[in-house]
Amino acid sequence: AQRVTQPEKLLSVFKGAPVELKCNYSYSGSPELFWYVQYSRQRLQLLLRHISRESIKGFTADLNKGETSFHLKKPFAQEEDSAMYYCALTTGANNLFFGTGTRLTVIP
Amino acid sequence: GAGVSQSPSNKVTEKGKDVELRCDPISGHTALYWYRQSLGQGLEFLIYFQGNSAPDKSGLPSDRFSAERTGGSVSTLTIQRTQQEDSAVYLCASSLAHNGGNTIYFGEGSWLTVV
Repeated sequence: AQRVTQPEKLLSVFKGAPVELKCNYSYSGSPELFWYVQYSRQRLQLLLRHISRESIKGFTADLNKGETSFHLKKPFAQEEDSAMYYCALTTGANNLFFGTGTRLTVIP
Repeated sequence: GAGVSQSPSNKVTEKGKDVELRCDPISGHTALYWYRQSLGQGLEFLIYFQGNSAPDKSGLPSDRFSAERTGGSVSTLTIQRTQQEDSAVYLCASSLAHNGGNTIYFGEGSWLTVV
């Protein structure tokens, strides 16, 4: 069965510091992975997906199949990055499975 | 509409009462999903619809929960005999089709409080 693990419920970093939100998954096949973000008083929205290999708002995430990880990274955190971040996995034919989320706080 | 619309946005109900939550997906989206968001529990998948049919009901937590979708559009999630542990934000989402390649768009959620 597929599973997404986000080990950190809370993460605080100072503005300008690098940030890494961890995500590990378990799935025997080839999953597609996503990061979703929920800013305060806004709806949950897609941040990025691994197949796009793009950088959104300075964030990148690389799929590491050997470590079954899809960590989200940004070299210099900004205050507006403070939000709830969810890692998610789909196997294509199945639904989007979410991790428990990490609340990121960027300290000014 | 411009996005996924959910109603009510907030609902307070007494334990034991039934509640209905409504979701209006983005026009043209054939896939519709219900999730539950609880403190410390992340996003819990409940059910999804492809058109009017629900091939996967595995996430419904008990037989007090049911959902239907009519006309391939609006969906209602019904919780019978509500319990305090049902208190959560119920999120609806839709996508063009049930395919991992399609982006899923979320509504703002219905915040349910059972007292």
